[in-house]
Amino acid sequence: SYVLTQPPSVSAAPGQTARITCEGNNIGSKSVHWYHQRAGQAPVLVLYDDSDRPSGIPERFSGSNSGNTATLTISRVEDGDEADYYCQVWDGTSAQAVFGGGTQLTVL
Amino acid sequence: EVQLLESGGDLVQPGGSLRLSCAASGFTFSSYAMNWVRQAPGKGLEWVSGISGAGSRTYYANSVKGRFTVSRDESNNTLYLHMNSLRAEDTAVYYCAKGRFIDVVEEYFDPWGQGTLVTVSS
Repeated sequence: SYVLTQPPSVSAAPGQTARITCEGNNIGSKSVHWYHQRAGQAPVLVLYDDSDRPSGIPERFSGSNSGNTATLTISRVEDGDEADYYCQVWDGTSAQAVFGGGTQLTVL
Repeated sequence: EVQLLESGGDLVQPGGSLRLSCAASGFTFSSYAMNWVRQAPGKGLEWVSGISGAGSRTYYANSVKGRFTVSRDESNNTLYLHMNSLRAEDTAVYYCAKGRFIDVVEEYFDPWGQGTLVTVSS
């Protein structure tokens, strides 16, 4: 089955840029979606199809996807961005959705 | 506004059964696939199952195939997850989530409900 690998943790100071990676075999050929989950809350979609933002998600959130790595970039990090972030793809071969293991973003 | 409200979570013994429900409102329920995603305590997200609009196609994670059955009732805009032969490793918060299209393809999940806790323990 398809596997997505994320770093367990990433940190950034307020105002700086945080980058969270998601690695998978030829992930550049798939559409990658990203969610954040604040403590005790349900996940929220923050990017879909690699780099599109749902309504209400600030422009500070951007994404890219090429080769074996997709990246979520959060510019001008704020305290409220502190959360767990998950990448996700649809694996057409197995007809299953796959999540990465999650990355905890700490705002210093 | 789209709203999803899960219910049915409970403490159940290993080998037991449970049915979860997800009441949907704020959108044309029959036009969208629906999904279940779970999260074990302190762990990451795991997709469990999806069902196409009108219920013609169902999809399952390998970990629940043959034990769980997803269904939907278009007349009262409700999604269900029937869980049998429950194991300790099925302990998790179960979220329902709306899909992007009528079928479960190239799926993403938006929005999510608040979840319902299933605990499998003797």
